[in-house]
Amino acid sequence: DVKVTQSSRYLVKRTGEKVFLECVQDMDHENMFWYRQDPGLGLRLIYFSYDVKMKEKGDIPEGYSVSREKKERFSLILESASTNQTSMYLCASSPLGDRVTYEQYFGPGTRLTVT
Amino acid sequence: AQTVTQSQPEMSVQEAETVTLSCTYDTSENNYYLFWYKQPPSRQMILVIRQEAYKQQNATENRFSVNFQKAAKSFSLKISDSQLGDTAMYFCAFMTSGGGADGLTFGKGTHLIIQP
Repeated sequence: DVKVTQSSRYLVKRTGEKVFLECVQDMDHENMFWYRQDPGLGLRLIYFSYDVKMKEKGDIPEGYSVSREKKERFSLILESASTNQTSMYLCASSPLGDRVTYEQYFGPGTRLTVT
Repeated sequence: AQTVTQSQPEMSVQEAETVTLSCTYDTSENNYYLFWYKQPPSRQMILVIRQEAYKQQNATENRFSVNFQKAAKSFSLKISDSQLGDTAMYFCAFMTSGGGADGLTFGKGTHLIIQP
């Protein structure tokens, strides 16, 4: 089974702090994604990466950055957390090439509260 | 840009009934993929069913089936013989056929409640 894990289920940070959300997948997937989930808004794509050190902006990248130094790990960084970044953050991964199925596999999510 | 619309924020049905969740989308692409994802309470999001736009035949997975109307840009999910474990948020999602490297565009979700 594909396993996508996220470093924390719940996180509370203060306004202005630098926040790191970590995601690890164990299926050698090329693609990794960060989404944010808000009630009544569904999921929105923040950033994605199709290879190590590669990154692409999604629909709402403002206030976020990402890092992908290893294939299995994709980090989301909030340089200076703000209260409007309080949300559920979901990581996902998917294979490319010969293994492409277009299905994305999701982690359990990190519920971030910024006070 | 693509948009996905789910017009039913919440639905409630009795166990064993059939329920249909609606989804419409807007795109200028001709080739793409459509998905229904399920997010049970406090559990991970999982894929329910997938439809390739170039396939005319509607996808089915056990009790789950879709009604894909490409011209109308409609993609509804039918759940037959609903079970308590079907209670979840259901999200309709769209992906362009760019080799699988693109992110998903999601609808706002439908909260489905199966009553005993």
